[in-house]
Amino acid sequence: KNQVEQSPQSLIILEGKNCTLQCNYTVSPFSNLRWYKQDTGRGPVSLTIMTFSENTKSNGRYTATLDADTKQSSLHITASQLSDSASYICVVSDFTGGGNKLTFGTGTQLKVEL
Amino acid sequence: DAGVTQSPTHLIKTRGQQVTLRCSPKSGHDTVSWYQQALGQGPQFIFQYYEEEERQRGNFPDRFSGHQFPNYSSELNVNALLLGDSALYLCASSRRTSGRVVGNEQFFGPGTRLTVL
Repeated sequence: KNQVEQSPQSLIILEGKNCTLQCNYTVSPFSNLRWYKQDTGRGPVSLTIMTFSENTKSNGRYTATLDADTKQSSLHITASQLSDSASYICVVSDFTGGGNKLTFGTGTQLKVEL
Repeated sequence: DAGVTQSPTHLIKTRGQQVTLRCSPKSGHDTVSWYQQALGQGPQFIFQYYEEEERQRGNFPDRFSGHQFPNYSSELNVNALLLGDSALYLCASSRRTSGRVVGNEQFFGPGTRLTVL
């Protein structure tokens, strides 16, 4: 069964600090890995998407890494801002059935405080 | 260019009733996927529509059905509602390439919050 596990479950940091979120997956056959940011009660918004041949991708203050051998990914947020408070979801895509089926992690709930 | 839109934004139903949720994909997208997200959980895949047919399905009962129209918009229907169906229902659209969605990003709508009393 395809699974995506994220850690920590929740995190509180001070504004301006950096943090790293972790994602481990067991999805096969692997297509790509995405990180989404989801504000409470809203739809997820894509931050990065990486295929197996990419091991790092940045989007502003967000940098994602991927190790396809160990099936691990991380999302690093630098110089955090209050607006970064949200749930960060790791999503892995596979080619099952010829389509693009996504397996979602349960997310890391990040709170940035003054 | 409008992104993915969903209607209604909120909905309250009682057990046993039926509900229809609607989704319009992002311009240029032809594939629509539906997800159920319970509070504090990640989204769970319900099914995906392409060329007006259900192409993939997650572990959801037949009470959950859908439809895709020629303009690529889609509906999610849930019959015989249960309390456990209360959730945020997300629609995501994407564009197929060469017969399958390859690395193409799924854009999510704002969701419909369904409450079953």
